[in-house]
Amino acid sequence: IVLTQTPLSSPVTLGQPASISCRSSQSLVHSDGNTYLSWLHQRPGQPPRVLLYKVSKRFSGVPDRFSGSGAGTDFTLRISRVEAEDVGVYYCMQARQFPHSFGQGTKLEIK
Amino acid sequence: QVQLVESGGGVVQPGRSLRLSCAASGFAFNTYAMHWVRQAPGEGLEWVAAISYDAAYKYYADSVKGRFTISRDNSKNTLYLQMDSLRIEDTAVYYCAGSLDYWGQGTLVTVSS
Repeated sequence: IVLTQTPLSSPVTLGQPASISCRSSQSLVHSDGNTYLSWLHQRPGQPPRVLLYKVSKRFSGVPDRFSGSGAGTDFTLRISRVEAEDVGVYYCMQARQFPHSFGQGTKLEIK
Repeated sequence: QVQLVESGGGVVQPGRSLRLSCAASGFAFNTYAMHWVRQAPGEGLEWVAAISYDAAYKYYADSVKGRFTISRDNSKNTLYLQMDSLRIEDTAVYYCAGSLDYWGQGTLVTVSS
């Protein structure tokens, strides 16, 4: 499964919203009814951390300014108001089937 | 709290072998599927391998199939990655991840002559 993220780079103003799209080459709906699409954030020099799983479920400790939506093959990560700590690279990831795969990454930077 | 600590990285010549370990604590390791994910310098994330909680199932990326072997020891809360026939393109930071929810800090593997 190939995941395509857009944009690859996103300059945003602090306090403004941001969104990243992830399109899958195949449906990510599993036979168990769940959609295994996650979003991860990686700050420079740090390991990735999970923000959202199963499209829209926030991982423990993730601020509610992060939200996810979508179904089937098209998904979106939204940040309602960008903060300085949100810089870094965002990846979508599918765990619908093996081999698991990641999008190319979207670099979020502050204008 | 959840901790995943990778070790075993280093510099190795092409064609040689290396074994990575990942020590887990703070969660029920024996109930989690475990994964290895790598990141080449300046590049994105690449899923490498996964193993079911009971080691009954193992999955590999095509790029490492036949060369890498994932295993686990639930009595020691430890995940392993045996890497044989290493290639220059295997150079990366290798992360272990619990169900892809919890991630370690990574260990750097450099394959160079």
